[in-house]
Amino acid sequence: QKEVEQNSGPLSVPEGAIASLNCTYSDRGSQSFFWYRQYSGKSPELIMSIYSNGDKEDGRFTAQLNKASQYVSLLIRDSQPSDSATYLCAVGGADGLTFGKGTHLIIQP
Amino acid sequence: ETGVTQSPTHLIKTRGQQVTLRCSSQSGHNTVSWYQQALGQGPQFIFQYYREEENGRGNFPPRFSGLQFPNYSSELNVNALELDDSALYLCASSWRAQTDTQYFGPGTRLTVL
Repeated sequence: QKEVEQNSGPLSVPEGAIASLNCTYSDRGSQSFFWYRQYSGKSPELIMSIYSNGDKEDGRFTAQLNKASQYVSLLIRDSQPSDSATYLCAVGGADGLTFGKGTHLIIQP
Repeated sequence: ETGVTQSPTHLIKTRGQQVTLRCSSQSGHNTVSWYQQALGQGPQFIFQYYREEENGRGNFPPRFSGLQFPNYSSELNVNALELDDSALYLCASSWRAQTDTQYFGPGTRLTVL
């Protein structure tokens, strides 16, 4: 059974700093990886997708993938209070997306 | 907004009843996936429909069933509701099956009493 592991947090980061969120996955054959943001009571919102080893940047967000280490991370630069949410790591496959439990991120003003 | 819509927004049922949840996919998407999210957990994959056929199923019992229509909208049916079925039910649409990027609707909050 595929597993996706995340530190549940809460992870507390000062406003303006870099928030670093991490995720490991068990299925070495996985090919697609996603980060979703979920505000309390809302549905997940796609932030980034990444398919190849290395970094992918989109605005203040950078996703990093290391397939050899089975590790995915998300960096949020210049963190804002509006970034406070739960961040879900997801791995794609024939069984749909497999999600971690999410990391609760708190940006302190 | 993703363009994925779900109805109803909230629903309260009693144990043993049956429920139908509905989802309209984003324009241009032909694949719909359903997920169950319990409080404090990540979403869990129920099943996926691609071109009106079930295209993968998670670890859910047969009382969870679904349909996809020619316009790619979808239904999730749950029979013999149990208290543990209380959760947020999420529909996600994508252009292709399996590993393609999925966009979520707002969800349906189901409470089973």
